[in-house]
Amino acid sequence: KQEVTQIPAALSVPEGENLVLNCSFTDSAIYNLQWFRQDPGKGLTSLLLIQSSQREQTSGRLNASLDKSSGRSTLYIAASQPGDSATYLCAVNQGRGTASKLTFGTGTRLQVTL
Amino acid sequence: DAGVTQSPTHLIKTRGQHVTLRCSPISGHKSVSWYQQVLGQGPQFIFQYYEKEERGRGNFPDRFSARQFPNYSSELNVNALLLGDSALYLCASSLAGGSRQPQHFGDGTRLSIL
Repeated sequence: KQEVTQIPAALSVPEGENLVLNCSFTDSAIYNLQWFRQDPGKGLTSLLLIQSSQREQTSGRLNASLDKSSGRSTLYIAASQPGDSATYLCAVNQGRGTASKLTFGTGTRLQVTL
Repeated sequence: DAGVTQSPTHLIKTRGQHVTLRCSPISGHKSVSWYQQVLGQGPQFIFQYYEKEERGRGNFPDRFSARQFPNYSSELNVNALLLGDSALYLCASSLAGGSRQPQHFGDGTRLSIL
């Protein structure tokens, strides 16, 4: 059974700081890994998708890496801003054929202070 | 273009009642998945439908059922509601089935059971 763990569970940083969020998974037989952002009481916003054959993806101030063999991914946020405050979730997809199934971690709650 | 839309946004029910939640995928998307997110946890996979057929089912009791219509919209039905069914129910759509497609989520339906 796939298990996804995110460390730390919560993080508070001053504005402008660079930070790294960690995600680990127990079963390396994944097709891709997706990072999401969730604001309180809201749905999920997709940030980055890394296919299993890729090592990293970048979007603006965000960079996600994937080491499938070791079961690890990191999300790097550069020059953090108060608007980055949210819960960040990683999820791995293991569906076969036309199936699709995401297994999520419990998230890292990020607060960026002024 | 409109994103994934879910209705209703909030719902209050009592134990033993039945509920139907609705989801409209992004235009052109043929795969719809349902997830349950209990407060403080990551979303848990319930169902996935692609081309109107069930392609995956999570570890949920038979009280949970779903279907997908010819226009690719979907309904999630829950019978005999329990207090533990209180959660945010999220719908996600993707262009096609399979694990390589990014999942796009709606804002969810907040279900409260009294």
